[in-house]
Amino acid sequence: RKEVEQDPGPFNVPEGATVAFNCTYSNSASQSFFWYRQDCRKEPKLLMSVYSSGNEDGRFTAQLNRASQYISLLIRDSKLSDSATYLCVVNTNAGKSTFGDGTTLTVKP
Amino acid sequence: DGGITQSPKYLFRKEGQNVTLSCEQNLNHDAMYWYRQDPGQGLRLIYYSQIVNDFQKGDIAEGYSVSREKKESFPLTVTSAQKNPTAFYLCASSIEGTSWQTQYFGPGTRLLVL
Repeated sequence: RKEVEQDPGPFNVPEGATVAFNCTYSNSASQSFFWYRQDCRKEPKLLMSVYSSGNEDGRFTAQLNRASQYISLLIRDSKLSDSATYLCVVNTNAGKSTFGDGTTLTVKP
Repeated sequence: DGGITQSPKYLFRKEGQNVTLSCEQNLNHDAMYWYRQDPGQGLRLIYYSQIVNDFQKGDIAEGYSVSREKKESFPLTVTSAQKNPTAFYLCASSIEGTSWQTQYFGPGTRLLVL
C-alpha cells in the first residue's frame, strides 16, 4: 500500500461544477499537508496548505481529518483554467515530503 | 527575480554515461531536494539536503549522487548504475527542512536515454 493514495481520475466536469478530491495517508505521525497543482509537463506549484480546522481560498476549500487520515480538496464553480493534475503532499516531522500520484481534472465548456 | 533554475531543459544520455543536472536557487533557502517523476505518477524523493555539506538519501537514491558545496547549488549526477533513468527530474527548495515548509520547484529537466 502506498503511503499517500489518491483517486487518479480523470475527473471530467462541466464549467461551473463542484468537484471534490480525496487523499488518504498511512503515516499517523504525519505533520503537515498540502495540495499542489501541476500543469501538463510543468513543475508542481503550491495551491494551498491544509490546516486542521479546514481552510478556504476563494473557490478552493481544503479539509483535514486526522482520525480517518485523509485530506480533501473542494473546487467550486470550476473554470476551464482549473484543468490540471492535483497532487496531495504529506510531510513528516523530519521534513520529508511524500507525494500522491495525483488526480487529473478536466473542466469542459 | 528570485527563483530556482534547472538546466538543461532536455538532456540525452548514452548507455554507460554519467550526466549531471544543474539546480541553482537564489532564494536563500537552506533545504534543497531532488525528485524524479515518471509518467502518470507522483514525485519520488531521490536526495535532499537541509544544510550545506550535508545530504541524505531519499526513497530511490540508488544510481544517483549529489553534492552540496554551496547553499545555492545542489547538482544531481545520474550515474551509469541507474538502469532506467528516463524521467522528469525536479529540483525544489524550502526555507528550512522542517515539516511546515512548503517547497518551491524549478522547471525541471527531462532526461532521455538514447
